[in-house]
Order: sequence, then structure tokens, then C-alpha cells
Amino acid sequence: GIQVEQSPPDLILQEGANSTLRCNFSDSVNNLQWFHQNPWGQLINLFYIPSGTKQNGRLSATTVATERYSLLYISSSQTTDSGVYFCAVEHPKLSFGAGTTVTVRA
Amino acid sequence: DADVTQTPRNRITKTGKRIMLECSQTKGHDRMYWYRQDPGLGLRLIYYSFDVKDINKGEISDGYSVSRQAQAKFSLSLESAIPNQTALYFCATSGRTGTTGELFFGEGSRLTVL
Repeated sequence: GIQVEQSPPDLILQEGANSTLRCNFSDSVNNLQWFHQNPWGQLINLFYIPSGTKQNGRLSATTVATERYSLLYISSSQTTDSGVYFCAVEHPKLSFGAGTTVTVRA
Repeated sequence: DADVTQTPRNRITKTGKRIMLECSQTKGHDRMYWYRQDPGLGLRLIYYSFDVKDINKGEISDGYSVSRQAQAKFSLSLESAIPNQTALYFCATSGRTGTTGELFFGEGSRLTVL
């Protein structure tokens, strides 16, 4: 099956810092999604982004499907950004990466 | 109220017991999914259903069964629970045809099998 690799596995940020999370996948995909799981376990869809760039407030995402990767940018991080960020690719069913655990310190 | 509701939210049971996790949604989506989350492994697909008459196995369906009672309801059963089924279970929905579409998750059901 398709391999989905996320890096880094863990990230510690000072409040206000910027960061980039990466998702690599081993085959062509129909679409890609980014999710945030907060410390209480809730999973929220951040982006549905098979290609191109999207922005939502302080978060933005870019997917380069031809090169099989996607990036999630967090700018001016806040403590509420803490949690685990997952990417998931459709090939043809959704397969999830293992996630990047982000801790934002005040 | 949540668009995707799971019950129970937490359950502790014993090995060999039958357990049912229920999911209902008000989003009007045709597609529903059950995922399992284990620490460090992301989410893995157990079963999915594209409509009431369509049920499909995911990557880890052994030991589980499902029932799609209506467009809005999709339940997951463990016929004889075992300790390695201890995990966080998520129901999800999506509305598009052709591709998976944007997924919306329930709040999760934490199951502990002793």
C-alpha cells in the first residue's frame, strides 16, 4: 500500500514562532487532507488540498502532487495550536500518516 | 449539537464481551467510516459504507462487524472483545461521490478491554 510519512515526529515551539510540517507520500493520490487533533482528542479538518495552496487564518497548506509532498505552515503559533497534525491521502481510500505532535509553549 | 455523534464516549469492558459503538450524523452525507487510532500509528480504516446497501472492509476489519441502519446511522460491533482492541475509535462522514471528499469526524469513543 501507499506509504505516508510525516516529519518531524515532534515539534516544540515558543509562542509566536513559525513552523513547517511535511507530508511525503509514495504514490500518486486523488486528494490530500490535513487534520488537527487537539489535546482532548477531537479531530478537525484543516484543509482539503489535492494540489495548490490554501490559507485559513494563520495556517496555510501547499500540495505539490507531482513531487508527492504537502506542507502545512503554522505562523505566529499559539498555545491552542498544540496537538497532533495528521495528513491523509486518498489512494483510493484515505491512508493516514503517523502525525506530527506540536507543543506550543507560552 | 455535534454533526457527527458517537456513543458511548467511554467504555470499559471485559474480554469476551460484545460491544457496540454507535454513530449518527446530521450532515446528510452518504458516506460513513469507522477508524481506529492507536498511539503512534495514526488512524486505520476498519469499515466504510457509501450508502445503506454498500458495506466495505477496510485495512483492519478482522474482529469487527458493522451495520448501516439508515443513511444517518452506522454502528460498529466487536462480537467478542479482546485486549488488543483497546483503542480510540472514530466515526467519520463525507459527502462527495467519486473521491473520498472532506472528512468530518465524531468526537471519538474510547474503548478499554480488560
